[in-house]
Amino acid sequence: GENVEQHPSTLSVQEGDSAVIKCTYSDSASNYFPWYKQELGKRPQLIIDIRSNVGEKKDQRIAVTLNKTAKHFSLHITETQPEDSAVYFCAAPISGGGADGLTFGKGTHLIIQP
Amino acid sequence: DTEVTQTPKHLVMGMTNKKSLKCEQHMGHRAMYWYKQKAKKPPELMFVYSYEKLSINESVPSRFSPECPNSSLLNLHLHALQPEDSALYLCASSQEPSGGYEQYFGPGTRLTVT
Repeated sequence: GENVEQHPSTLSVQEGDSAVIKCTYSDSASNYFPWYKQELGKRPQLIIDIRSNVGEKKDQRIAVTLNKTAKHFSLHITETQPEDSAVYFCAAPISGGGADGLTFGKGTHLIIQP
Repeated sequence: DTEVTQTPKHLVMGMTNKKSLKCEQHMGHRAMYWYKQKAKKPPELMFVYSYEKLSINESVPSRFSPECPNSSLLNLHLHALQPEDSALYLCASSQEPSGGYEQYFGPGTRLTVT
């Protein structure tokens, strides 16, 4: 099955700076890579996702890039704000096809310093 | 209605009790999922239901028994649990079961086993 590694485990940035979180995956058949944000005591919420036929996707201050050859994808947050503080999880389908749940990276605790 | 709802929000049970967790969605989604999340860890997939049929069981102990009575409802029956089963249990749904569709998470049931 798929294995997803995520780095760093904690990231502290000054408000207004950019943050980058990186993930690698093991199954070259994986075709969908979502990013979830989870605030303390709340449910995971999808913030952006990318499919394997696209190299980059942007949504306002958030972007995701995918390198299929190297099997890694990254989350980029620009002009960080205090409300960006949360735990971020990358994920990939748990198996190559059929009915798929997600396997998640270990998470990155993003801290925005005022 | 674009929400996944879960009841109860909190549950405390003894090791000899039998209880059930309930999940509901009215988005017409054909896949539903149970995940378990321990503190400071990512969600871990337990079960996948595809078109009301169990399609993935991620080697979950038999003291957890899922049930999908209809396309909108998902239950998780609990019996003879252990203290280490204490966790946040998240339900999710997606439009279709195969990878590439956003998974919408419910708020979770926080379970404590005493």
